[in-house]
Amino acid sequence: KAGVTQTPRYLIKTRGQQVTLSCSPISGHRSVSWYQQTPGQGLQFLFEYFSETQRNKGNFPGRFSGRQFSNSRSEMNVSTLELGDSALYLCASSFATGGTEAFFGQGTRLTVV
Amino acid sequence: GENVEQHPSTLSVQEGDSAVIKCTYSDSASNYFPWYKQELGKGPQLIIDIRSNVGEKKDQRIAVTLNKTAKHFSLHITETQPEDSAVYFCAASQETSGSRLTFGEGTQLTVNP
Repeated sequence: KAGVTQTPRYLIKTRGQQVTLSCSPISGHRSVSWYQQTPGQGLQFLFEYFSETQRNKGNFPGRFSGRQFSNSRSEMNVSTLELGDSALYLCASSFATGGTEAFFGQGTRLTVV
Repeated sequence: GENVEQHPSTLSVQEGDSAVIKCTYSDSASNYFPWYKQELGKGPQLIIDIRSNVGEKKDQRIAVTLNKTAKHFSLHITETQPEDSAVYFCAASQETSGSRLTFGEGTQLTVNP
């Protein structure tokens, strides 16, 4: 069974640009959550999508958005990039929403210059 | 919102010794507590989890204990091996918050051969 796939693995962007990251969950999983990981703030929840609907949202500005498609694949978008957005962005896949095991992908390393 | 504190931030043990990592949580409504292991350049890997209706769970060399009254839970690794060296994260969530996980700050475990 294939795991969680995130693409691309690495990205370098310039301040002010926008970026789209992709996540393919484990087959059969309908919940996709996104996290930002930085040395200073640790692992912070961005949002969760379940059955194409945003289920929950963390404390991030509106520049961070996401969506989920009918095949459960998810994308997150960051607009007007800032230097502080440099981080490892992780996607987690769960069979259902609420208290179920979450499996992470390898992450996308975003560097904003 | 939920707050999870994790101690210690670094832990160094000799191969064969035991390692214990402790976490406390603030929200009594939290009912699911997973532990993740993250190796360099990889995403977090789920290694064990426990739910609030269970006090202890064991899987080979790894065990987790939960004290709901005191709102703390611990990870115990016995007979440590060099390949156990990694960053370990505890997390907490509650069903009403979907799959949202609140993570501790992480513990860098080093097992010296």
